Parts: sequence; structure tokens; C-alpha cells
Amino acid sequence: AQSVAQPEDQVNVAEGNPLTVKCTYSVSGNPYLFWYVQYPNRGLQFLLKYITGDNLVKGSYGFEAEFNKSQTSFHLKKPSALVSDSALYFCAVRDRNTGFQKLVFGTGTRLLVSP
Amino acid sequence: EPEVTQTPSHQVTQMGQEVILRCVPISNHLYFYWYRQILGQKVEFLVSFYNNEISEKSEIFDDQFSVERPDGSNFTLKIRSTKLEDSAMYFCASSEGGLGANQPQHFGDGTRLSIL
Repeated sequence: AQSVAQPEDQVNVAEGNPLTVKCTYSVSGNPYLFWYVQYPNRGLQFLLKYITGDNLVKGSYGFEAEFNKSQTSFHLKKPSALVSDSALYFCAVRDRNTGFQKLVFGTGTRLLVSP
Repeated sequence: EPEVTQTPSHQVTQMGQEVILRCVPISNHLYFYWYRQILGQKVEFLVSFYNNEISEKSEIFDDQFSVERPDGSNFTLKIRSTKLEDSAMYFCASSEGGLGANQPQHFGDGTRLSIL
């Protein structure tokens, strides 16, 4: 069975500082990995994905994520945080070997960027 | 940029009543999904739909739930006899591609369902 862990309920960072939101996953086969962001009263907005190839993937709004197969992690990063990055961030995984399309989400991490 | 649209944004229904949640997926997408998010909890998969049939469903998606694509644009989720525990935010999503594709799912803004 697939699962995702986001160990931090909340991450606090000052504007201009780098940020990291952690994610680890578990799948029986090889993963497709995704990050989504949710702003208040909105749906989940796709940020980036890892499919194959380069372990560092770049996405929207300056975010990037690093896939680490040995640590089964896919941490979200940004070199310089903005106050407008404050939102709820979800990591999700899909097992590419099963052929099923469902995404399994983590519990979410609230990012709070202070001015 | 094309969007997934959901109506209504908020639905209030008496327990035991039927409710239909509506979604218009992105027009060239082939896969459609429903997820739900109970307040303060994680987003949970309900069902995926491809080629006019259910391709996968979760344990949550029991006989009280059904999905339909009544025409070329709408995708609906019906809950036949609502329970208090059905209160949640329901998200529709769609994606390109066939089975095993790596395309991201694009989500609507959700319908908040409140069961009284």
C-alpha cells in the first residue's frame, strides 16, 4: 500500500530565508511524486512532479524538490521564501507499477512565512 | 489557463437526502476523479473514472456513492442518502493521458458539503 508522511504540521520561516518542507513516501514499486499547494478556500494547485531522470525537479513559483530514492524522500525547497508562499502544502505519491491513477496524499504541512 | 470548475461552492443538505455535486473537467482531459477532505484531515481518494466507467475506487466509495458523466462536459458525484460523516470538502480533478500516465491531476476549488 502507498503512503506519504509529512512529519511537520507547520514550518515557520522568515521572508528571504530558504525553506524546506519534508516528505517521505512508501510504495511497493517505483513512485510518481507530486507537490501541491492549497490556499484558503481553494483547491489543490499543482507545483511540481518527479517522474524519472534528474533527482532535482523545478516547478512553479521558484519551488524545487529533491528526490532521494535511498531515503525515500521528496523534500520541497525554495531558496528564498516569500510571505505569499504561506499556505498548506501536500506531498502525494502514485505507484507507477500498479497502473492505478489515484494519488495518496500526506497530511499536509502549513508553511508560515513571516515578514 | 484551463480550470476544473465545481458547483455549488457550498451545499447544505438534511441527513438522508440525496445530493449531487457537479464538476466540469478540463476539456481535453480523459481521466476524472473525486477526492474528499474532512475538516482538518488529509485529502482522500474516492474514485477515478475513465472511458465512461469507474477505473478505481476506494473503500469510502460504497453503494451510497455513484459517479456519472451525463454529457461531454459534466462529471457528477451523487450521494444517495447522506450521513453526518459525509460532511467534507469534495474535490473534483482531471488529468490527461491513459492508464499509467504521469500527468498531474488538476483540481477544482471544491464543494463544501454540510450535512445537518
